[in-house]
Amino acid sequence: GAVVSQHPSRVICKSGTSVKIECRSLDFQATTMFWYRQFPKQSLMLMATSNEGSKATYEQGVEKDKFLINHASLTLSTLTVTSAHPEDSSFYICSARDGGAEAFFGQGTRLTVV
Amino acid sequence: DAKTTQPPSMDCAEGRAANLPCNHSTISGNEYVYWYRQIHSQGPQYIIHGLKNNETNEMASLIITEDRKSSTLILPHATLRDTAVYYCIVRVRRDDKIIFGKGTRLHILP
Repeated sequence: GAVVSQHPSRVICKSGTSVKIECRSLDFQATTMFWYRQFPKQSLMLMATSNEGSKATYEQGVEKDKFLINHASLTLSTLTVTSAHPEDSSFYICSARDGGAEAFFGQGTRLTVV
Repeated sequence: DAKTTQPPSMDCAEGRAANLPCNHSTISGNEYVYWYRQIHSQGPQYIIHGLKNNETNEMASLIITEDRKSSTLILPHATLRDTAVYYCIVRVRRDDKIIFGKGTRLHILP
């Protein structure tokens, strides 16, 4: 299957700072990318959907000013957690779709805010 | 909201077939049944999908009942590496979103 790469795989940041997570489709062009968050022992929760060149669509309850999503190219989407707090500590996962039916997932990024 | 119901956890002995059930009684005619799994601290991995016919690939088999209200994912010879959370999802094939339910936590016992 197609490869989706996230970077970094782990990040620790101080409370109040911002952190950027990258999601790249390595061997296909991703017209749509999705960002999920997963807390321990819970399922994946969809945060937002982004289409290349347009604004992201956020799910209800997700603060768009806190979780900034940029999908400027067909192979790269970024999620920036602004003014991070300890409660933002979570496992963030991206997924990319090439315009077909299937979506492929990155390996996830473990964010710890201290 | 997830449209499927799965048992929260299951055990299976190593080397035996693991049969994971899923109920999707409100499935629509154009919705497919997809299965993904998530090994601890990794992103989800696609396993298999089907519409109404049974499907088989190198990873698993998918058995869908004739009324399409339920399905079973079969891992024919489970290994310890199959320990994961398995998610059954119904979606229109070209739908934008994949919404995850709680899944089934499968433990493979040595």
